Formats: sequence, C-alpha cells, structure tokens
Amino acid sequence: SQQGEEDPQALSIQEGENATMNCSYKTSINNLQWYRQNSGRGLVHLILIRSNEREKHSGRLRVTLDTSKKSSSLLITASRAADTASYFCATDEMGAQKLVFGQGTRLTINP
Amino acid sequence: ETGVTQTPRHLVMGMTNKKSLKCEQHLGHNAMYWYKQSAKKPLELMFVYNFKEQTENNSVPSRFSPECPNSSHLFLHLHTLQPEDSALYLCASSQAKGGTGGAHPTDTQYFGPGTRLTVL
Repeated sequence: SQQGEEDPQALSIQEGENATMNCSYKTSINNLQWYRQNSGRGLVHLILIRSNEREKHSGRLRVTLDTSKKSSSLLITASRAADTASYFCATDEMGAQKLVFGQGTRLTINP
Repeated sequence: ETGVTQTPRHLVMGMTNKKSLKCEQHLGHNAMYWYKQSAKKPLELMFVYNFKEQTENNSVPSRFSPECPNSSHLFLHLHTLQPEDSALYLCASSQAKGGTGGAHPTDTQYFGPGTRLTVL
C-alpha cells in the first residue's frame, strides 16, 4: 500500500529559487526519510526525521514533520542545476517493518 | 557513487531466458534489499535479508528467486519473466544499530545504481 504521497508531482523553478516539496501519509510512523534519485540511477539518502522531531537541517535542506497533520515538507534553498532530480519520501509505518516510498516529486532547476 | 554496486547495469532478455542480477555492498552492512521501480509506480520492496536470512518476501512471484550467500552479496535469479517485469531493479543495504534482531528495514538505506531490465 502506498503510504507517502508527494506533492507536487512535478516542480520547475529557476536556479537560485527555493523549492518546497510536501509528503502526506496515512498512519502513525516511527520516522520519515527523504531520498533523491537522479534519472535512472539509485536513490541517495538525504535526511531522516523521527516522529518526535519537528525540524531538521542538513546544508541547504530543511525538513519539517507535523505528525498531527501526517505531513512533511522538504525545502531546498538556493537551488542549483545539480538539484534536478526526483525526490521521494519514505515512511517507516509503525509495525510494518519496511519503508514505504511515495511516487516522488520531479524537480527541474532551470539555469 | 555509493558503496553498493550492481551488475549488469542493463539487461535485455527473452521470456524463456534465465539470468541473474548481482549486488555487492562494501559498507560492512548486515542487511540487504531488492526493490523494483516501474514507471509511474512507487518503489516496491521485493525481498529483505538480515544477516543472510530472508526476513521479507513481499508477495513476489516465484519467477524471481533471491540468494544471499553472505552479508556482502545478494543475487536475484530471473527465469520465465514477463514483459511487465521490465523495470529498474535496485539493491540497497543498511546497518543494524546494534543489539539483536539485525538491521531494521526502516533504517537509512544505501542504494546501488540499479539494473535496467527489459523483457522482450
């Protein structure tokens, strides 16, 4: 079953602008992770946020988690052409013993 | 790119062929995973191995047969596949945080570059 659902499905912005992607999920979770995938390649882990955390930062990345709304957001500040990729959220649903990935947001950074 | 390698990177096979995908991780992890990524569908977990023992088989058809001879290597044996099995097959690994039970499948996972499989 699909747990995380990203929004929007596609996002195109100019280099230097900020990009925000959202993820919604349906059940209680232990943690939520964001991954990046360049075209036809493997996924790269970006950040993990636990259910008792509200915000985490890593370089130009900022992730928030609102467990009451069952949603998370990924903000990429000062975007670069190299940020062009698909971004996936993955949820660790309590009791499920596996990560469940959403369909992803396709981000395009225009020079 | 990461400490997880996969071979071959591309594979074209007929429905009657038998082939194998190979994954190797150089990270000292003790859990490995196979995922299937089809166009316009979420990433699907296929198999999980913890300490070489299969702990998850996510209702995968028997034409896919995994093998984990040691904690560093994982294979996916393919036979009598269907065109709808064409996809990107991704291998991943993770490290248990210590204690019992092996790596929790929801720990941070490190992915290989994938094998692009086309079934004719």
